[in-house]
Amino acid sequence: AQSVTQLDSQVPVFEEAPVELRCNYSSSVSVYLFWYVQYPNQGLQLLLKYLSGSTLVKGINGFEAEFNKSQTSFHLRKPSVHISDTAEYFCAVKGTSYGKLTFGQGTILTVHP
Amino acid sequence: DTEVTQTPKHLVMGMTNKKSLKCEQHMGHRAMYWYKQKAKKPPELMFVYSYEKLSINESVPSRFSPECPNSSLLNLHLHALQPEDSALYLCASSQDWEDTQYFGPGTRLTVL
Repeated sequence: AQSVTQLDSQVPVFEEAPVELRCNYSSSVSVYLFWYVQYPNQGLQLLLKYLSGSTLVKGINGFEAEFNKSQTSFHLRKPSVHISDTAEYFCAVKGTSYGKLTFGQGTILTVHP
Repeated sequence: DTEVTQTPKHLVMGMTNKKSLKCEQHMGHRAMYWYKQKAKKPPELMFVYSYEKLSINESVPSRFSPECPNSSLLNLHLHALQPEDSALYLCASSQDWEDTQYFGPGTRLTVL
């Protein structure tokens, strides 16, 4: 079984400031990790994924995440946010040999001018 | 191209109605999924089809009936729904069920 904990339900930040959205996971097997973004009244868009290899993963819209196996974390970062980054962000985990995707509870990022 | 399309975008139905949600992908993906997302909650898996066969049913009530007529299409037939079934219904697909899932825009369902 696997689970995901997103440590912050809401993160307010000012435009052009850096941001970090925190995600911890628990699993007894090797996992793949994902970040999805959901804009209001829309579906989920894949931001980035970690499957293997380099622990620093770069995604779309200037986001990146770092896989830390010892701390079982996969935090999402952006050095300078824009108003358009306001959305809900979901961290998700999937076993490497099992297809079920397990989501965290989501973090609402609000970027203020 | 990682596009999954869903129709309709919005649907309002009564508890005695029968309706269907449709999902389509042309990426050659062989796994397709239905998720339900209640307000302010993460998506919850309902069904998984792999190679057009139902491989996972997450104990979903029988008033939801999935159908996969071919490798590009996934339907969700709805009958005798309850108001608590009101939610955003998301379809996703992946190359195989071990691969990255790509989501459609969803159908916003309201049951009166």
